[in-house]
Amino acid sequence: DIQMTQTPSSVSASVGDRVTITCRASQRIADWLAWYQQKPGKAPKFLIYAASRLHGGVPSRFSGSASGTEYTLTISSLQPEDFATYFCQQAYSLPPTFGQGTKVDIK
Amino acid sequence: QAQLVESGGGVVQPGRSLRLSCAASGFTFENYAMHWVRQAPGKGLEWVALIAYDGSPKYYADSVKGRFTISRDNSKNTLYLRMNSLRPEDTALYYCAKDQAVTTAGNYLDSWGQGTVVTVSS
Repeated sequence: DIQMTQTPSSVSASVGDRVTITCRASQRIADWLAWYQQKPGKAPKFLIYAASRLHGGVPSRFSGSASGTEYTLTISSLQPEDFATYFCQQAYSLPPTFGQGTKVDIK
Repeated sequence: QAQLVESGGGVVQPGRSLRLSCAASGFTFENYAMHWVRQAPGKGLEWVALIAYDGSPKYYADSVKGRFTISRDNSKNTLYLRMNSLRPEDTALYYCAKDQAVTTAGNYLDSWGQGTVVTVSS
């Protein structure tokens, strides 16, 4: 199985801050990478696919990028509704595997 | 807009069985592969199973292979997960999720239900 190592496990930030979350795949996944946002007590929400393509309705402050087997989610200016846990997921091969999650909380 | 509503969770003793259902609406269910994903309390996401848009093929996580069976009834717009020989480590919130791709499985999960809780305990 492909392992996804997500860092950091948590980050404290303020409204307006730029936040970056990283996921490293244990092998090549050819940009088959998604990002999800999960708020407490809610289902995950699909944000980004193919490493950098925004799902419909996702604000443009969210962006994704790739460099080799390292993938990055950036929130350019953190908004109050962005405080949540974020997960990456590789879709390159079965089984799909998720990173451990990054909790973004209020500083 | 896709809507997914899971049901069938509950408290069950180790070794017993349970069947989860997921009622789909707002999209053409028969055109999409579907997944089950679970989340143990306070933990991350674990993919469980996948079924193609027409019911075959099916794929399972090693942790559930041989115990769980995914199925679907396209005439009823419903996805199922039959769980046998349940173990305490199967305790989790179980989500059904829709694949993003039409008639294939791209393994991007673009719509999720709210989940149903399964607790395996004696």
